[in-house]
Amino acid sequence: DGGITQSPKYLFRKEGQNVTLSCEQNLNHDAMYWYRQDPGQGLRLIYYSQIVNDFQKGDIAEGYSVSREKKESFPLTVTSAQKNPTAFYLCASSTWPPRSGGSTDTQYFGPGTRLTVL
Amino acid sequence: GENVEQHPSTLSVQEGDSAVIKCTYSDSASNYFPWYKQELGKGPQLIIDIRSNVGEKKDQRIAVTLNKTAKHFSLHITETQPEDSAVYFCGGAGAGGTSYGKLTFGQGTILTVHP
Repeated sequence: DGGITQSPKYLFRKEGQNVTLSCEQNLNHDAMYWYRQDPGQGLRLIYYSQIVNDFQKGDIAEGYSVSREKKESFPLTVTSAQKNPTAFYLCASSTWPPRSGGSTDTQYFGPGTRLTVL
Repeated sequence: GENVEQHPSTLSVQEGDSAVIKCTYSDSASNYFPWYKQELGKGPQLIIDIRSNVGEKKDQRIAVTLNKTAKHFSLHITETQPEDSAVYFCGGAGAGGTSYGKLTFGQGTILTVHP
């Protein structure tokens, strides 16, 4: 089955610790994205990558870091500098460059990781 | 960059009724508008999308309409069923500058369909 996997499903962190969230896709997509979701809010873009070894900051990148060493993988590290890290984190992927004539193609989401800071 | 506003934040309907959710966007050059359904504790699933060269698109009980002049698009669900209960998000893809290649999402609508 093709798709996006995220692990772990639930993650607990003590204050002051860095944690890394995993995202893997076997859809052969070039672009990958990380979003944060808080109750009552939409999805906010943290980082995105359109090609291996390159990535860009989204709207709320402070306190987060990413790497893109392989096409299939886009891990997100939540650092101790992130002031309010408790949230639901979603990874997505899409083809790139867009094939449809628009500025982006459909993004497909993983099942998410719920991070709780104790 | 792109800004997307979604209304209403909650919507309650009786089974069999229709539900309409509306989104407005700010970037007149935006060209792609998806709708996602998210069930509790899961990732969003695409249910329908529309591109700026089309005014309406339909898939069984779901339809999306786009008004480029007014910069708004709407999700229509007919003959609602209890399993339609979920959170629905709209998105808009900016066409230029820092918005290119990125989706901006609305705040979400919690739809409840009562049996």
